[in-house]
Amino acid sequence: KAGVTQTPRYLIKTRGQQVTLSCSPISGHRSVSWYQQTPGQGLQFLFEYFSETQRNKGNFPGRFSGRQFSNSRSEMNVSTLELGDSALYLCASSGTGDEDTQYFGPGTRLTVL
Amino acid sequence: QKEVEQNSGPLSVPEGAIASLNCTYSDRGSQSFFWYRQYSGKSPELIMFIYSNGDKEDGRFTAQLNKASQYVSLLIRDSQPSDSATYLCAVSSDSGAGSYQLTFGKGTKLSVIP
Repeated sequence: KAGVTQTPRYLIKTRGQQVTLSCSPISGHRSVSWYQQTPGQGLQFLFEYFSETQRNKGNFPGRFSGRQFSNSRSEMNVSTLELGDSALYLCASSGTGDEDTQYFGPGTRLTVL
Repeated sequence: QKEVEQNSGPLSVPEGAIASLNCTYSDRGSQSFFWYRQYSGKSPELIMFIYSNGDKEDGRFTAQLNKASQYVSLLIRDSQPSDSATYLCAVSSDSGAGSYQLTFGKGTKLSVIP
């Protein structure tokens, strides 16, 4: 089975721009979670989607949003980028009946200048 | 606020020794416990999970769970230089509606010296 894939792998943006990141889960997995990883804060939960519905949300501002499509692929969007949004953005998927076991994609490294 | 605490390290062990990584968590309702390995510049890779009190062994890795003490550990036997990485402890809690949220520690950096 192919693993979780994320595109793009690297992004450079400037402050004020917006960005969209994409994630394709492991085949058959319907739950997709997003995390932000920074050296100072570690891995922090952004949100989780299941069957096109956001089931859970972390403590991030409304500039961070996401969605999930009928094929379980997910996107996250960050609007009005700030320097502090520079981070590794990780997507993880989990399968039905095993929802708490999450498998991570390679991540998207976002740099905001 | 759910918290997961780990020693940041670095933890240095000689090749062939046992590396012991520890983790404590604050939420008594936590149900599942995970260890991820993260090499520099890479994403976390799941290496062990444990649900019940006691030990669980997988090859050179042993996870230990003590729910009464809210303590999880990972032992790596016969440590190899390729084990040098950051080890993340993660704790799962039921957020309702079938959703499970992982809370991560900040990781322990392990260095295995040849």
